[in-house]
Amino acid sequence: GDSVTQMEGPVTLSEEAFLTINCTYTATGYPSLFWYVQYPGEGLQLLLKATKADDKGSNKGFEATYRKETTSFHLEKGSVQVSDSAVYFCALSEGWKGRDDKIIFGKGTRLHILP
Amino acid sequence: DVKVTQSSRYLVKRTGEKVFLECVQDMDHENMFWYRQDPGLGLRLIYFSYDVKMKEKGDIPEGYSVSREKKERFSLILESASTNQTSMYLCASSSGTGAYNEQFFGPGTRLTVL
Repeated sequence: GDSVTQMEGPVTLSEEAFLTINCTYTATGYPSLFWYVQYPGEGLQLLLKATKADDKGSNKGFEATYRKETTSFHLEKGSVQVSDSAVYFCALSEGWKGRDDKIIFGKGTRLHILP
Repeated sequence: DVKVTQSSRYLVKRTGEKVFLECVQDMDHENMFWYRQDPGLGLRLIYFSYDVKMKEKGDIPEGYSVSREKKERFSLILESASTNQTSMYLCASSSGTGAYNEQFFGPGTRLTVL
């Protein structure tokens, strides 16, 4: 079945460092891909998305490119801030299964940014 | 601003009690979901509903039931709470199927069963 694998955390970086969180997926069709973020004490919120191969999603300085050939959707940011400390979830949705369409989430990666 | 609200942020119950977790969305969404979130396990889908009075089992439905009498409200019921149901419970909603199947989440209910 469909699945999402992301790097385990926690990831600890200093402010202004470069961030990469790896995410790979397994799917039978052509899924849409998402990154969700969960700030402390809150629910998840959509950070960015991409719906087809080679699409790049971007938001708040974060970027991720849909790579079909490597089945990957790695999250990157050039210069992280303390306020980026959160848990990040990679996710996919097949988008064609009608009533059975669900979002499959990875296990999450906790990110700590040190001032 | 779109909103998904959950009835409680924190809840403490005793083993064997019947527990109701309520979720309300104001976006007229068709689909609603209940997840539990545990360290190292990520989000696991308990139940979802794509229409009023309709429900579908997710990946871990055992020990839970749900109710959706109105479009905007989706309730999760623990018939007889057990300590292994101590967890963070997240409700979400989405407008339907398709490539942009974004789910909107509530803030979560942290349930402790003693």
